[in-house]
Amino acid sequence: DAGVTQSPTHLIKTRGQQVTLRCSPKSGHDTVSWYQQALGQGPQFIFQYYEEEERQRGNFPDRFSGHQFPNYSSELNVNALLLGDSALYLCASSIAPGGNYGYTFGSGTRLTVV
Amino acid sequence: AQTVTQSQPEMSVQEAETVTLSCTYDTSESDYYLFWYKQPPSRQMILVIRQEAYKQQNATENRFSVNFQKAAKSFSLKISDSQLGDAAMYFCAFKNNFNKFYFGSGTKLNVKP
Repeated sequence: DAGVTQSPTHLIKTRGQQVTLRCSPKSGHDTVSWYQQALGQGPQFIFQYYEEEERQRGNFPDRFSGHQFPNYSSELNVNALLLGDSALYLCASSIAPGGNYGYTFGSGTRLTVV
Repeated sequence: AQTVTQSQPEMSVQEAETVTLSCTYDTSESDYYLFWYKQPPSRQMILVIRQEAYKQQNATENRFSVNFQKAAKSFSLKISDSQLGDAAMYFCAFKNNFNKFYFGSGTKLNVKP
């Protein structure tokens, strides 16, 4: 049973560029949430997608956008990259947005902005 | 706004001994969920244990147990019979009724052989 799959695992981008990160949820899960984890910090909530719509959003600028596809997979897009966007980006999936039984996390995409 | 505080950036324990990781949180809500996640060097966050705030009984999962003090807004994790594989970053997390997770800054656990 595949867990949450994220791609790519590592990425290096130049300041000002745009990046797309991808996530496939665990089989049977329909909700995807994205988190940003800066070095030495805990994950911070970016947004959550359910039924192909953004349902919740954290304190992140509009440069961060996302999408969910009919097969429940999701993309995170970041425009006009800043050095401060360098972080580990984690995708988490759950059965419905509640996540009362906890989320299943992927291993993340390490984004480095130079 | 909800905040989660882990006051111990790093802790060490001898193999086979017991260690307790601390976590406090701040919320005005009465119904919520609390979690402990483990993040090894592989980066994947692994659910260790969960606690429903409306349940007074402390959750237990094998060698892992929690001490949930709702009035004090405290949620500590006890690891018994520590093993080398327990070495990792541990994050305390709070989930509110709006389905947002809030994580603490983490505690790095070292296990000495």
